[in-house]
Amino acid sequence: DAGVIQSPRHEVTEMGQEVTLRCKLISGHNSLFWYRQTMMRGLELLIYFNNNVPIDDSGMPEDRFSAKMPNASFSTLKIQPSEPRDSAVYFCASSSSGGYTDTQYFGPGTRLTVL
Amino acid sequence: SQKIEQNSEALNIQEGKTATLTCNYTNYSPAYLQWYRQDPGRGPVFLLLIRENEKEKRKERLKVTFDTTLKQSLFHITASQPADSATYLCALPYSGGYQKVTFGTGTKLQVIP
Repeated sequence: DAGVIQSPRHEVTEMGQEVTLRCKLISGHNSLFWYRQTMMRGLELLIYFNNNVPIDDSGMPEDRFSAKMPNASFSTLKIQPSEPRDSAVYFCASSSSGGYTDTQYFGPGTRLTVL
Repeated sequence: SQKIEQNSEALNIQEGKTATLTCNYTNYSPAYLQWYRQDPGRGPVFLLLIRENEKEKRKERLKVTFDTTLKQSLFHITASQPADSATYLCALPYSGGYQKVTFGTGTKLQVIP
């Protein structure tokens, strides 16, 4: 099993540009989580999906952020327009919601730098 | 609101000794607690889960305790090795949302040879 796959691994962009981060879930998993990690705030949940449906997006900072799950195995997180304060490492994680203590499997992360 | 506290200062320990990390929480009663390990440049990796009705859980050199009265979990690594050097995060479920967890900020462990 390849694990959770994220792309790109690194992204450097200029303020105002659109950024799209991609995530492929582990085969058979049906829950998908997007996190952001910074030194100041640690690991923060942005949004999570279950069976392709967004369940909780209360962590999405503002309207500049949007996330989609066009199919059961793939998700995108888009920032438009990007700002320097969006610089962080973005992780996606997947799990199989068979029980109520689902272990989350994290991808390697995308390090985003907005200049 | 729910709050998780982990010692933000790095923990330095001599190889072979037991490392003990602390996770304290306030304002809720989680049904379980998880511990993850994160290496630099990588995503967190799940290590152990302990439920509210379990006092202690072990896995190889790892031991986790869960004291719901003190609202605290302790994470022990016995016979520590330099390869154990990493950041360790505890995670607790949000009340009312079983799939959603809150992560602590983590404690960085450095095992010195």
